[in-house]
Amino acid sequence: QTVVTQEPSFSVSPGGTVTLTCVLNSGSVSSSHYPSWYQQTPGQPPRTLIYATDTRSPGVPGRFSGSILGNKAALTITGAQADDESDYYCVLYLGNGISVFGGGTKLTVL
Amino acid sequence: QVQLVESGGGVVQPGGSLRLSCAASGFNFSPYGMHWVRQAPGKGLEWVAFIRYDGLYKYYSESVKGRFTISRDNSKNTLSLHMSSLRPEDTAVYFCARDNTGEHPHYFEYWGQGTPVTVSS
Repeated sequence: QTVVTQEPSFSVSPGGTVTLTCVLNSGSVSSSHYPSWYQQTPGQPPRTLIYATDTRSPGVPGRFSGSILGNKAALTITGAQADDESDYYCVLYLGNGISVFGGGTKLTVL
Repeated sequence: QVQLVESGGGVVQPGGSLRLSCAASGFNFSPYGMHWVRQAPGKGLEWVAFIRYDGLYKYYSESVKGRFTISRDNSKNTLSLHMSSLRPEDTAVYFCARDNTGEHPHYFEYWGQGTPVTVSS
């Protein structure tokens, strides 16, 4: 069974930098998995942040960036702000029409 | 602007059936693939199903395969999810989402607000 793993929780200070990662248990993450990242606050639908590894969705602040770091997909927030406190999810496309979400990372800004 | 509005959620007994709908507006519906994604209470997001732009190819997560059916009506700009043999673990908010392409899933570009489904006796 394919599992996508994210850090369950992370903490960052206001103004600090944090990198969240997305690991595939069956091997390395690559651009062919079309890594994408979503932000969600309680009671709201997800908001699309990053797609195709490193492309920001319209309206997403420049402090959010996506990349492949080694064998993982990564979301970096540079200069974290209080309203970045949210849950963050990665998604990988596995082929044959199948997408998989990571378990999500709860980010605290304090 | 792009709008996706889900409906049809509610309370259903285990073993029962339910049909969810997603009304799309603000864009040309027919060229885009569409997804259903769900979120159980207090849990993370789970991809459920994808349908190609023309409805000819459909893909499901293992957890719903054989029980759920995704469909679309491009003449009515509507996406549907027919859920049968429902289990308590299917309790979740169900979101529809538009992909940015038509044939193969790439990412969830737009999201609806979701409709809640509760499976309980």
